[in-house]
Amino acid sequence: DTGVSQDPRHKITKRGQNVTFRCDPISEHNRLYWYRQTLGQGPEFLTYFQNEAQLEKSRLLSDRFSAERPKGSFSTLEIQRTEQGDSAMYLCASSHRTDEETQYFGPGTRLLVL
Amino acid sequence: AQSVTQPDIHITVSEGASLELRCNYSYGATPYLFWYVQSPGQGLQLLLKYFSGDTLVQGIKGFEAEFKRSQSSFNLRKPSVHWSDAAEYFCAVGGYSGAGSYQLTFGKGTKLSVIP
Repeated sequence: DTGVSQDPRHKITKRGQNVTFRCDPISEHNRLYWYRQTLGQGPEFLTYFQNEAQLEKSRLLSDRFSAERPKGSFSTLEIQRTEQGDSAMYLCASSHRTDEETQYFGPGTRLLVL
Repeated sequence: AQSVTQPDIHITVSEGASLELRCNYSYGATPYLFWYVQSPGQGLQLLLKYFSGDTLVQGIKGFEAEFKRSQSSFNLRKPSVHWSDAAEYFCAVGGYSGAGSYQLTFGKGTKLSVIP
């Protein structure tokens, strides 16, 4: 199996710009999760999809954040009007319907907002 | 609400020595428990998991973990540490909310350093 892939791996942007990240889950994995990880912390849940439906959003996901999974395959996470506090690693994970509790993670996208 | 505590922020061990990383969880029902490892700048790799059954679970890279319900613990162990084990280790607990959604909650991690 090809693992979860994320693009880009690194992103540097200026405050106020919009950024978009992409996640490709493991093939046939129906659930897809987004997490944010700041320095010295564990990953924090942002949102998840079951197929194309976004089922839950964390309070961490402000109105500047939006996520989509239009065809139930890849997903995008967009941050509008970035702030310095958005600097973090954004991790994507996926799981299969036969073992939905086990999540497999991608390499992450490291965002730096200047 | 579920939570995970990893009491040790940083542990240093000598290569070849044994290792135990501590993890305590809080969850109302039978938890799904995981250990992940993260190398610098990388994503998380699943080491092992516990759902039910034998309370001692084996994982990849020679790691094992023991579930102790009475202590709400899921400690990770390795009998002989290799220099390549230096990384950050995260314990996580998974559980379903009343609304039926599943969530994975992580501890803050333990950074492992290995000295020759």
